[in-house]
Amino acid sequence: AQKVTQAQTEISVVEKEDVTLDCVYETRDTTYYLFWYKQPPSGELVFLIRRNSFDEQNEISGRYSWNFQKSTSSFNFTITASQVVDSAVYFCALSDLNSGYSTLTFGKGTMLLVSP
Amino acid sequence: DVKVTQSSRYLVKRTGEKVFLECVQDMDHENMFWYRQDPGLGLRLIYFSYDVKMKEKGDIPEGYSVSREKKERFSLILESASTNQTSMYLCASSFPPDRANSYEQYFGPGTRLTVT
Repeated sequence: AQKVTQAQTEISVVEKEDVTLDCVYETRDTTYYLFWYKQPPSGELVFLIRRNSFDEQNEISGRYSWNFQKSTSSFNFTITASQVVDSAVYFCALSDLNSGYSTLTFGKGTMLLVSP
Repeated sequence: DVKVTQSSRYLVKRTGEKVFLECVQDMDHENMFWYRQDPGLGLRLIYFSYDVKMKEKGDIPEGYSVSREKKERFSLILESASTNQTSMYLCASSFPPDRANSYEQYFGPGTRLTVT
């Protein structure tokens, strides 16, 4: 069965600190996709990134970076020089190819609070 | 830009009422999903639909039904609302697995339903 674990329920940092959000997944699929979503206080989940299981290159987008390590089944997300606007709940998700549809399994989310 | 809209941001209903939550997407996506989000439990899939008039149960379908009469519209129905259905309800849409950018789900702003 698919499983996504986000062990950090809540993280608090002060602005300009770097912060890493952990995501560990379990799947028997050899091909899969991993995702990160951001849910600000407004409620709407915003897509951040999709990573194919064949592509283990790390990705950087501005202050955001993602570290995908297949050997440890982890897909961690780092925010550099955090800002108050980064305060949100962040979800990691895993595709479920066995369903035959585009379903995702979500972790329970990590709430990030960045204080000034 | 993908747009997923939900009929209400906040809704208050009484126990036993029949409740309709509407979701509309404008990206011609085949797949549509209904989730509920509760503190500490993350996102849980209620139902999804992969085509007009087609539906599949998710992880927690009990007490809910759905309707998809048109491709762009997916409705969640609470036949007889109960207090344990008080929650945030999120709608999402995506392309099917054989399309580019498949599995990327785009979310609506959510409906916070309170059943009293």
